[in-house]
Amino acid sequence: DAKTTQPNSMESNEEEPVHLPCNHSTISGTDYIHWYRQLPSQGPEYVIHGLTSNVNNRMASLAIAEDRKSSTLILHRATLRDAAVYYCILSTSGTYKYIFGTGTRLKVLA
Amino acid sequence: NAGVTQTPKFQVLKTGQSMTLQCAQDMNHEYMSWYRQDPGMGLRLIHYSVGAGITDQGEVPNGYNVSRSTTEDFPLRLLSAAPSQTSVYFCASSYRGAEAFFGQGTRLTVV
Repeated sequence: DAKTTQPNSMESNEEEPVHLPCNHSTISGTDYIHWYRQLPSQGPEYVIHGLTSNVNNRMASLAIAEDRKSSTLILHRATLRDAAVYYCILSTSGTYKYIFGTGTRLKVLA
Repeated sequence: NAGVTQTPKFQVLKTGQSMTLQCAQDMNHEYMSWYRQDPGMGLRLIHYSVGAGITDQGEVPNGYNVSRSTTEDFPLRLLSAAPSQTSVYFCASSYRGAEAFFGQGTRLTVV
């Protein structure tokens, strides 16, 4: 299973954009890139996912490098409620297995 | 539409006891999975199922059994609880690799 590498922690000021990086140099052509976040004492929550093209939804944007070896989750305006651990996960089409790493703990400063 | 429901929310077991963690989903999802999360760590996949009657092992399957007799339910059985199984357990379901929905977790302590 392909692995991902993320910074352990990041900080952002409230109302500012946040760019959370993820490296996945061993990604294969059929691996989807997923992002989940986990608020304290809760189960993970879906944020966004993509395969090759950049993706946008109401929560965030996902920018995928042309060679697919890295991606960036973009929160356009961080709020205090966005403080969470963000996980970048690869899943192979047809298996739906998620192998979590340790994620990035995002701290949002008021 | 309740999503993914896990019971119980909290449980204390003595070493050697067995128990079943329940997971049910009402979204007709094919794919269901169990994870454990130890303090300060990410989630680790225990077992997963791609449909009724089909299960497979994840990263850390030892000490756990699963079965999938219906689409809705995916129970996780601890055969003989050990202190090393103290953790928070999450169940998840999804439809063909799309958005996965996670339950609120079961906090298990083995003494």
